[in-house]
Amino acid sequence: EPEVTQTPSHQVTQMGQEVILRCVPISNHLYFYWYRQILGQKVEFLVSFYNNEISEKSEIFDDQFSVERPDGSNFTLKIRSTKLEDSAMYFCASRLTGGAGNEQFFGPGTRLTVL
Amino acid sequence: GENVEQHPSTLSVQEGDSAVIKCTYSDSASNYFPWYKQELGKGPQLIIDIRSNVGEKKDQRIAVTLNKTAKHFSLHITETQPEDSAVYFCAANTDKLIFGTGTRLQVFP
Repeated sequence: EPEVTQTPSHQVTQMGQEVILRCVPISNHLYFYWYRQILGQKVEFLVSFYNNEISEKSEIFDDQFSVERPDGSNFTLKIRSTKLEDSAMYFCASRLTGGAGNEQFFGPGTRLTVL
Repeated sequence: GENVEQHPSTLSVQEGDSAVIKCTYSDSASNYFPWYKQELGKGPQLIIDIRSNVGEKKDQRIAVTLNKTAKHFSLHITETQPEDSAVYFCAANTDKLIFGTGTRLQVFP
């Protein structure tokens, strides 16, 4: 069964460093998302991406964040200068078509720890 | 802004009993309501979903009900088993998902 994959599973970085989290969505999917989950809290929407551009972003997704689909398979989230409060699980999701009623498939997540 | 409330935050039941988790949402434009199960160290996995043109949906031991007028939807798990133990999240919206705060379900043998 096709699945969303994410690498690395765990990333440890120093405050102020740049990190890139990588995702490989399901191959024929067209809509891509990043969510984050601070330990013990709910999953929060960060950004959605379609047709090589951002469709929507949340207040969390400030100028320190960027997304890119550099080739036909990868979807990346970059945090330019990490802060302690960026420590969280980051989930990538994809779906075949947009709009309501179509399942988003989630990856296993990357645990980011900022020291 | 858009918000989804979820109750209870923790739920403990004996194996074989039923479990009910309730959510309310604020955005009346929401028309898709999935439920996700999250096991330790894993990403959310869809277990059931319901669309706004349906009031109830059932899949074996799991059922979901939706009351659009009241902006409520609920997850019902019958004949619970220890492997049902996990964190359950409701979500709502039209494209991006707005998640509830989660319910930690523990099923004791």
